[in-house]
Amino acid sequence: KAGVTQTPRYLIKTRGQQVTLSCSPISGHRSVSWYQQTPGQGLQFLFEYFSETQRNKGNFPGRFSGRQFSNSRSEMNVSTLELGDSALYLCASSSTGNYNEQFFGPGTRLTVL
Amino acid sequence: DAKTTQPNSMESNEEEPVHLPCNHSTISGTDYIHWYRQLPSQGPEYVIHGLTSNVNNRMASLAIAEDRKSSTLILHRATLRDAAVYYCILVRNTGGFKTIFGAGTRLFVKA
Repeated sequence: KAGVTQTPRYLIKTRGQQVTLSCSPISGHRSVSWYQQTPGQGLQFLFEYFSETQRNKGNFPGRFSGRQFSNSRSEMNVSTLELGDSALYLCASSSTGNYNEQFFGPGTRLTVL
Repeated sequence: DAKTTQPNSMESNEEEPVHLPCNHSTISGTDYIHWYRQLPSQGPEYVIHGLTSNVNNRMASLAIAEDRKSSTLILHRATLRDAAVYYCILVRNTGGFKTIFGAGTRLFVKA
């Protein structure tokens, strides 16, 4: 089975721009979660989608949004980028989205200049 | 949200057992205890999880205290490839994931 894939792997943007990141979960997995990882804040939960619905949400401003498609692929969007949005964005998928293990992708490294 | 407390770092010798502790005094009855590890330049990797009883798998063992306020991840024979940041997290039954990662424990393995 192919693992979780994320595209692009690296991205450079400037302040004020917007960005869309993509995540393809493991085949058959319906839960997709997004995390932001920075040296200062560590791993922080952004949101989780299950069957095209946002089921859980972390404490991030509305500039961070996401969606999930019928094939379980997910995208997250960050509008009006700020320097502090520079981070590794990780996506994780799970089969049922409850207590099961999550499988993480390699992440997208976003740099905001 | 329930939080976990772990030592910032630990050191082990290669081929020796490693016991990584985690405190979760505010754990609720339905919280599962999960452990993940993150190797350099990679996303986190699932290690093991449990609810009340001790658990074993090919990677590690998880020992859970009787009151569930603490747990210990046991690597039976550390290898250099086990050098990573280990995260202990609580997964609550919210009808999905809303996992809170702490700072984790950075494990150094000496040859």
